[in-house]
Amino acid sequence: QQQVKQSPQSLIVQKGGISIINCAYENTAFDYFPWYQQFPGKGPALLIAIRPDVSEKKEGRFTISFNKSAKQFSLHIMDSQPGDSATYFCAARGDGGQNFVFGPGTRLSVLP
Amino acid sequence: GAVVSQHPSWVICKSGTSVKIECRSLDFQATTMFWYRQFPKQSLMLMATSNEGSKATYEQGVEKDKFLINHASLTLSTLTVTSAHPEDSSFYICSAATLLYPSYNSPLHFGNGTRLTVT
Repeated sequence: QQQVKQSPQSLIVQKGGISIINCAYENTAFDYFPWYQQFPGKGPALLIAIRPDVSEKKEGRFTISFNKSAKQFSLHIMDSQPGDSATYFCAARGDGGQNFVFGPGTRLSVLP
Repeated sequence: GAVVSQHPSWVICKSGTSVKIECRSLDFQATTMFWYRQFPKQSLMLMATSNEGSKATYEQGVEKDKFLINHASLTLSTLTVTSAHPEDSSFYICSAATLLYPSYNSPLHFGNGTRLTVT
């Protein structure tokens, strides 16, 4: 119940294309869903986050889509750039729990 | 945005020695700090959770006597790897948050990690 599933494990996209990463959860107590971007040798950086009372949130080229009934959320990267090549982690947290639960990560490679 | 500073960024030590890693929240007070270990091409493995002024809570399988965590103030937590061995070589990352209700008021911010190599 505490797991967050993430797919795909790796993703290769051409420059200018759309990158889509999907996550799913079981615990309905989760009420905060952030996405993190991690470059090699660096710590994860908060990219964008969404609350379950919102179905979509957009920040620049990054959009989170949230489907509460399906317990799924996804990250869309529009106009993907080689600089977006990194590992992306989805995560979830719910009140009453201190811990953030992380997905296994998606390695994105954007080809020039 | 909130900044978490982790130091050192890399360290090489000899087997049997101890290494201390510092994690500081620079522009906010962190009620809770988390320590993670990350193996190559893998996700973040939570080692322990520490709340300011209280003992850390370790995840199952993490040796608390080997990985000493101190959270002495709202801006500083330290991880000490005692009697380090080559198998302790890894990427250690701290994170910090001020846990509030509701959850979306409590983003988690990470340090840049410490690459530990034990020879």
